[in-house]
Amino acid sequence: SAVISQKPSRDICQRGTSLTIQCQVDSQVTMMFWYRQQPGQSLTLIATANQGSEATYESGFVIDKFPISRPNLTFSTLTVSNMSPEDSSIYLCSVGTRKNIQYFGAGTRLSVL
Amino acid sequence: SQQGEEDPQALSIQEGENATMNCSYKTSINNLQWYRQNSGRGLVHLILIRSNEREKHSGRLRVTLDTSKKSSSLLITASRAADTASYFCATDARDDKIIFGKGTRLHILP
Repeated sequence: SAVISQKPSRDICQRGTSLTIQCQVDSQVTMMFWYRQQPGQSLTLIATANQGSEATYESGFVIDKFPISRPNLTFSTLTVSNMSPEDSSIYLCSVGTRKNIQYFGAGTRLSVL
Repeated sequence: SQQGEEDPQALSIQEGENATMNCSYKTSINNLQWYRQNSGRGLVHLILIRSNEREKHSGRLRVTLDTSKKSSSLLITASRAADTASYFCATDARDDKIIFGKGTRLHILP
């Protein structure tokens, strides 16, 4: 298993600003994932962040809006850029294992005014 | 895109009763997982069942898998207040990804 620390846990932001979410893992992992979860909905994968390579974005998500960094095997950041109220969601990071099981951070609850 | 779809969307039962949730999926899988999410929190992995397995137990949890019907069920026996949460099934996809279903919101009544 892995312990994931995600911060901030919540934030309220103004339209047009950007927020960077951090995800710290207690062990070295290859695969990290970023998800968005809109209120009462399921999780939608934003991108896969593997160390040493560019993040791979899912359909409907672009790097200019959601830039991701993965400087080492224990850390990643997701930035939500030029925010609008439609970006209000829970953002979750997770790490993958060879058994296909994922371990999640507690999430960042973002509200955009 | 959603692969799994849980049924029911919401379920309320009395404490001590059993809760059953179902998941249907569309394409062939190598494994299927169930996760729990307490309100406002991250997801917690509960159990994984492989495509060549039909049933698996973990404590008060029992998972079944029917690959011919592309469906799975999660049974929680002797429910407790702490079981109140959303439950998601997830199927494996390419590139080590998993795809989550829409979830079942379970509420245990005192």
